[in-house]
Amino acid sequence: EVQLAESGGGLVKPGESLRLSCAASGFPFSTYSMTWVRQAPGKGLEWVSSISSSNAYIYYADSVKGRFTISRDNAKTSLFLQMNSLRAEDTAIYFCARDRGCTSTGCALPDSWGQGTLVTVSS
Amino acid sequence: QSVLTQPPSVSEAPGQRVTISCSGSTSNIGNNGVNWYQQVPGKAPKLLIYSDDRLPSGVSDRFSGSKSGTSASLAIRGLQSDDETDYYCAAWDDSLNGVVFGGGTKLTVL
Repeated sequence: EVQLAESGGGLVKPGESLRLSCAASGFPFSTYSMTWVRQAPGKGLEWVSSISSSNAYIYYADSVKGRFTISRDNAKTSLFLQMNSLRAEDTAIYFCARDRGCTSTGCALPDSWGQGTLVTVSS
Repeated sequence: QSVLTQPPSVSEAPGQRVTISCSGSTSNIGNNGVNWYQQVPGKAPKLLIYSDDRLPSGVSDRFSGSKSGTSASLAIRGLQSDDETDYYCAAWDDSLNGVVFGGGTKLTVL
């Protein structure tokens, strides 16, 4: 069974940083691309970033480009999201999700999701 | 304003059939596969349909998907009270170089 468990969320002030983690199990992590999707309170889903299985392809939403960095450790079957210069509009539940692959022209869509971790940016 | 357009809400009686539309463009739905997700607010989304019309293992065949041109649809037949929640469409967008979602549709089972 695919299991994805996010951690690292919390309350931070504008301008501060936070690092999210996602522990994966139940599937060959090193062969799958991974994605972060967020959902602001009472709002819809918003894609944040995706990374291919071997780090060859990385994509970011314009809203986070230059501030967020996605990475992974295949040996530890973990996905990360380093979030810098956080803003109030980054407040959301952040979901880690698995997808079937990324190429130079794009990524497949998520097929399994974690339960999410809440990030709140407020002074 | 979401790149993919869904109706904010739909409603239908138990046992009936309902469809949810998702409208996009040639850079997303017109050129790439569409997924549909079901989400109970605050919980993890669940994959209902992938690659336009394929049903994942374990998902009820009451759910079905279709696509024509730059629009896609999710149909749910034999509506049950458990179906009352939020539904999202998604596709890769070649111009934005990212995944785009619809704004979500809240289904009410009357």
